[in-house]
Amino acid sequence: ETGVTQTPRHLVMGMTNKKSLKCEQHLGHNAMYWYKQSAKKPLELMFVYNFKEQTENNSVPSRFSPECPNSSHLFLHLHTLQPEDSALYLCASSQATLTRGTEAFFGQGTRLTVV
Amino acid sequence: GESVGLHLPTLSVQEGDNSIINCAYSNSASDYFIWYKQESGKGPQFIIDIRSNMDKRQGQRVTVLLNKTVKHLSLQIAATQPGDSAVYFCAENGGSQGNLIFGKGTKLSVKP
Repeated sequence: ETGVTQTPRHLVMGMTNKKSLKCEQHLGHNAMYWYKQSAKKPLELMFVYNFKEQTENNSVPSRFSPECPNSSHLFLHLHTLQPEDSALYLCASSQATLTRGTEAFFGQGTRLTVV
Repeated sequence: GESVGLHLPTLSVQEGDNSIINCAYSNSASDYFIWYKQESGKGPQFIIDIRSNMDKRQGQRVTVLLNKTVKHLSLQIAATQPGDSAVYFCAENGGSQGNLIFGKGTKLSVKP
């Protein structure tokens, strides 16, 4: 276990549904990340939060909406997704943003299927 | 129709042999590199890291080599075991604000 917990582990949703992914870490880390891992592309960074402030949005469509209420929790709200959004969504955390050269710890991921 | 997935390089080794996984990184300004292991159904797991002021670092059964001249990183696994079967990713902190850029990954298969 890495100390980063994601729920749910699996999610099937329709294109008109609204759902949320949750990530939690109690490692005392200040930076949290959402990544997308699909079969067709390498691991893609989506969002970065540092001390609860969003510092990066990597051109992610607005149907993905992140929320970081505190340094330990990160959410990804999903709305009106497309089948091509089906992927493994990974949350990660690190002690500081990676300019300082610290490793990122990953959760187990949420396997999302959009039907 | 035929599905098109990400074509991963595959390395197949015999149990007990040494494995070498290679990675070419993209940003010459990157100064921190990580190797991750991802088993089926799990998230990436940290294996070993190296900073750009070093060219070699050893861990337990693993060694990372860094060649900044040609922007090349390698992971050596000694006495490979079936439990080492996984996809291995290299990552560099060469993204904007130092965020990690991941390689495509190499699938390691260990034959008993």
